[in-house]
Formats: sequence, structure tokens, C-alpha cells
Amino acid sequence: DSGVTQTPKHLITATGQRVTLRCSPRSGDLSVYWYQQSLDQGLQFLIQYYNGEERAKGNILERFSAQQFPDLHSELNLSSLELGDSALYFCASSVAADRGNYGYTFGSGTRLTVV
Amino acid sequence: QKEVEQDPGPLSVPEGAIVSLNCTYSNSAFQYFMWYRQYSRKGPELLMYTYSSGNKEDGRFTAQVDKSSKYISLFIRDSQPSDSATYLCAMRGGSYIPTFGRGTSLIVHP
Repeated sequence: DSGVTQTPKHLITATGQRVTLRCSPRSGDLSVYWYQQSLDQGLQFLIQYYNGEERAKGNILERFSAQQFPDLHSELNLSSLELGDSALYFCASSVAADRGNYGYTFGSGTRLTVV
Repeated sequence: QKEVEQDPGPLSVPEGAIVSLNCTYSNSAFQYFMWYRQYSRKGPELLMYTYSSGNKEDGRFTAQVDKSSKYISLFIRDSQPSDSATYLCAMRGGSYIPTFGRGTSLIVHP
């Protein structure tokens, strides 16, 4: 167990729907990162939050949004879902916002299937 | 052309073999280089990180960076079936967000 908790583990939903993925970071970590992993694109950075504030944005679609709450857990909201949004969504956490060189601790991911 | 290129494999080797996994990159600003291991149905876990050029060894694993060629490698000695996983390279420069390769699937058969 990495200490980063993601729920749910699996999600199957229809096109056009909206889902919320949840992440609880490792105890003591202030920074949360969301990634999307697909076979053709690999691991793509979506967005980072640090202590409740958005810190960096990657290739996140406008249909996607995220937030980090005062207890530091984070939620990724995906709306108007398309078949191409089917992927593994990972959350990672680190102590500081600039710990990219030491790496993150990843959760086990949420597998999203859009049908 | 992607910033980080990594052959997806799969790479299949017999137990005990020396494995060589590689990535090439195009961004000369990259200075920090990392290798992650990802088992099936799990998130990536950090294996090794190096700064700039040179070698770093940790047990059976050796990470090598050649910045002049924009080429990094991970060597696994005495490979074990438990090493079967996907290996992702990652690297970053001034931005604190690393760029990942697509990963190479490694299969070590007994």
C-alpha cells in the first residue's frame, strides 16, 4: 500500500455522463497530481494542486476539472464523457510542490470505461 | 516527435539475463532523470533517479544518463520473474512536472 488512496477502483459509465474520482494523498503530503494513462498516449499530466491551490496545469480538457479540499483530499471531475476518455486515472502526492526530482507516490488508479 | 521516446516492447528475457531498457529525449533542458516500475493494476513506483550525466547503481539496478546523446538507460542484472512489469522513464528540467515515456513492458520467464 503506497499510502495514496484512490476511489473507486473501477468505473463504467455511458457517454455524456459525469463522474467524480477521489484521491486521498499520503499523510503529510501537501501536493496532489492527476495523471491520465492510456495505451496510445502513455502517462499524461493533467493538473497539480498544492495545499488547496492550483499549481500547474497540463493537458487537461475543459470538460475536466479538479479541486483540493481543506483536508487535502482531491477530486477530479470528468463531464460530457466520450469513449476516448476511457483510461486509467492516477493520483500522486508529494510533500512539496517542487518534488519532481524525487518522484511522487502514486495511488493504484481508477480504471474508467466509457461505453 | 514526442519529447520522450520509449519502445513499448514487450521485451521477453530468460531469468538471470541482463536487461537493458532505454529512452531517448529531445529536450536538452532535461536535467533530472527517473525510472519508475509499474506492476499490472498498480500505480508507478519510483525505482531510481539521477541528476545530469553519469551512472548510479542500486543493488541489481544501474541507471545511466548520456546527455550528449540524449539517451538514458536502466540495466537490470540477474533478472527475476518478479521484475516483470512495465518500466517508465521520466525526466524534467526547469519545470517541476516530469515528462514520462510510454513505458516498456518487460517479461522475465523462468
